[in-house]
Amino acid sequence: DAGVIQSPRHEVTEMGQEVTLRCKPISGHDYLFWYRQTMMRGLELLIYFNNNVPIDDSGMPEDRFSAKMPNASFSTLKIQPSEPRDSAVYFCASSLTPSGIGELFFGEGSRLTVL
Amino acid sequence: SQQGEEDPQALSIQEGENATMNCSYKTSINNLQWYRQNSGRGLVHLILIRSNEREKHSGRLRVTLDTSKKSSSLLITASRAADTASYFCATDASNAGNMLTFGGGTRLMVKP
Repeated sequence: DAGVIQSPRHEVTEMGQEVTLRCKPISGHDYLFWYRQTMMRGLELLIYFNNNVPIDDSGMPEDRFSAKMPNASFSTLKIQPSEPRDSAVYFCASSLTPSGIGELFFGEGSRLTVL
Repeated sequence: SQQGEEDPQALSIQEGENATMNCSYKTSINNLQWYRQNSGRGLVHLILIRSNEREKHSGRLRVTLDTSKKSSSLLITASRAADTASYFCATDASNAGNMLTFGGGTRLMVKP
């Protein structure tokens, strides 16, 4: 298996623009997670899905952030409009079980810079 | 909020030496995991230790867990330059719906 695949790896955009980050989880994994990593706040869970259904989005910082999982092999994280404070590395991860029970498989991340 | 906190925040050692990183957490846990992150890459799972286990080994890694002190340690023996990375502990708090919360990480540099 190719692992969790994220795109784009790098994105530079201007404030106010829409940003869409994409993730393909490992086939057969029922759980998908979106994390954000910054120097100041570390690794934060934004939202997670179980069988394509959003379970907990309490980590989503604002209404500007939205996430979807239209099918088992694809998820998006959208920021509209983007702001400089959204600059971070966004990770997608998937797992067979709830994350505390088994290991998480992370993608390589999408580094977002909002100017 | 971060459940686990690693100590030290940064560690620099010579190749061949052992590296010890510590993790403290606040609430009761079911499991504790350690992950490694190379610069510019995603996190990679190293080891999971359950709350009823005290020690676990995997290759050059040794993890201990002391639930009475709410702490864990990760020992890397005979370190190599390739071990240079950030190491994170992640806890599955008993009241957090089996979801992981990551600590701030320890940045390890192994000098050749």
